[in-house]
Amino acid sequence: DGGITQSPKYLFRKEGQNVTLSCEQNLNHDAMYWYRQDPGQGLRLIYYSQIVNDFQKGDIAEGYSVSREKKESFPLTVTSAQKNPTAFYLCASSMTGQPRSGANVLTFGAGSRLTVL
Amino acid sequence: AQSVTQLDSQVPVFEEAPVELRCNYSSSVSVYLFWYVQYPNQGLQLLLKYLSGSTLVESINGFEAEFNKSQTSFHLRKPSVHISDTAEYFCAVRGSNMLTFGGGTRLMVKP
Repeated sequence: DGGITQSPKYLFRKEGQNVTLSCEQNLNHDAMYWYRQDPGQGLRLIYYSQIVNDFQKGDIAEGYSVSREKKESFPLTVTSAQKNPTAFYLCASSMTGQPRSGANVLTFGAGSRLTVL
Repeated sequence: AQSVTQLDSQVPVFEEAPVELRCNYSSSVSVYLFWYVQYPNQGLQLLLKYLSGSTLVESINGFEAEFNKSQTSFHLRKPSVHISDTAEYFCAVRGSNMLTFGGGTRLMVKP
């Protein structure tokens, strides 16, 4: 079955450490996204990529980095510069193009919960 | 710029009662509207969407939403809720570019 796989599901990090969250999709989607979810704040966009080797900052990119070397993969690194990294991180993907074609209908992974100790 | 406001952070309701989850948006361009549902410790799943055509859209599990352009709203309704509907619901809007999500409404169905 096609879908998005995020790993690890739970991750603990000490302050000052970088961690990388994995996101892999086999939906043949061009676009991939990373969101951060905090209680009561909905989803906030960290980074997105609409094509391989290209990505754009979202609303809260500071302290995060991404790469898009393969269409299927969009890993997110939470760096030590991120002041408050404890959160639930969601990866998503979609087709590109006009909304009526299905673009921007996001398929989400199950999420990764990061806790900083 | 576009924004989405979900007016209620939590909605408690008894099983088999009707429910409405409110969503208002602002956008300077034509919009496409979505409702997503999130069960505990899971990702979001698309519940229904409005892209064009009929302003009333339905999901397979009894939810419906109506796009009201004059009131800039896309409220989600269900005439009779079930315990299994307990989840968080997110309204989202796409205007000129990216998808913007509301803050979410936690629906709590009580027996």
